[in-house]
Parts: sequence; structure tokens; C-alpha cells
Amino acid sequence: EADIYQTPRYLVIGTGKKITLECSQTMGHDKMYWYQQDPGMELHLIHYSYGVNSTEKGDLSSESTVSRIRTEHFPLTLESARPSHTSQYLCASSVTGVNTGELFFGEGSRLTVL
Amino acid sequence: GENVEQHPSTLSVQEGDSAVIKCTYSDSASNYFPWYKQELGKGPQLIIDIRSNVGEKKDQRIAVTLNKTAKHFSLHITETQPEDSAVYFCAASRVSAGNKLTFGGGTRVLVKP
Repeated sequence: EADIYQTPRYLVIGTGKKITLECSQTMGHDKMYWYQQDPGMELHLIHYSYGVNSTEKGDLSSESTVSRIRTEHFPLTLESARPSHTSQYLCASSVTGVNTGELFFGEGSRLTVL
Repeated sequence: GENVEQHPSTLSVQEGDSAVIKCTYSDSASNYFPWYKQELGKGPQLIIDIRSNVGEKKDQRIAVTLNKTAKHFSLHITETQPEDSAVYFCAASRVSAGNKLTFGGGTRVLVKP
């Protein structure tokens, strides 16, 4: 059982609001990721971090921002939400190592912007 | 960058039959190929993976095969059970790229009792 937690699980907000999706892991993993999952199921990497104070944009352009001030915490922020941001956001973590590769996912945060 | 294609997008099988999902990848340098299962309301979970130095790997009712020359890999589930109903994702990456996985589009599998 993975020890990675996302809050909130569900969020419905109005256009223009600022939101932060929280992600925490207790496994001491150095790498963390945010994936956006659209209704068609596809998973797209939007942000990743290889350690504290390290953040990079993923393959899919996103208006969200992330921070990594502590190893266990990787929050995602939208300064001004729009209906196009409606999606499921999945946080994941992994550990560095030649023979490792497994991503541990949280259960997701489903965001609806009205 | 890497591009992963996955087929079919939906698959309906009778309980007890086999299910096969196929993926192709574009980056010949990719050397790690995991498969994830996502149940309703949950995040994806790793079920099996294979590295480019082997051609096949098996774990109970699931197996994965890899053809590096053709750049495709497949997931085989035998003796399917209702609890196998889920969305399955293949993925590919270079281990040196730090676990940055590129996922296929997913296959929704329904096992009919």
C-alpha cells in the first residue's frame, strides 16, 4: 500500500478562484510528479521534481505551478481557475536507483471549475 | 520525445478467457516498460514491468512480452476474473531519464461473468 496522499479528493469551484492541491508522501522518495488525467483516460505529465527546490515542467503545458520546499510535500497551485482546468490531477512519487522505476500514485484530486 | 500508442482502447472478454493489450513506442533508447492498473476512483498501480534486457516476464496470470526490434510490447492476462476489470496503461521510459514515464492512452477492460 502506497503512502501518498492527496487532498482534496473532490473540489468544485468557480472561475477565477485560486486553488492548491496538496500531495504528501511518507516514503522519503526524492522524485515527485503531477499528472493530469483527462476524461478520455490519458495521463499527461505536467510537473516533476527530483528533490527539494527542484521543479520542472512536464510534457503537457499547464498554467499551474508547483513547489518543493520539503521532500514529502509537492503542492500544485492554480492562481485563477478556469473551466478548461477541469480534470483529475494525480500525484506520484518514486525513488532514485538504477533498478527502480515504480511510480506510486495517490488516489487523485478531481477538480471541477464552473 | 517518446510516443506510446496503446490498443485497443476498450476490451470486453468473457470470464476465464485471455486478454491481450498491445503497445508500441517510438524512442529506441527507451529501456523500461511498466504496466499500470487503475481501478475506479483510485490512482494507477504497477502490476508488472519489464526491462529491455529481457524478452518476457511472467507473474501468475499476467505476462509481458517485449520486442525491441519492432518496438512493441504486450500485456497478457490469462484466466480473466471480474476483478481484472479496470483501466490498464502501458508506459515507456529511459531509466536514465529519471522515471519520466510516457503513458499509452489506456485500455478499459471489462470482464463479463
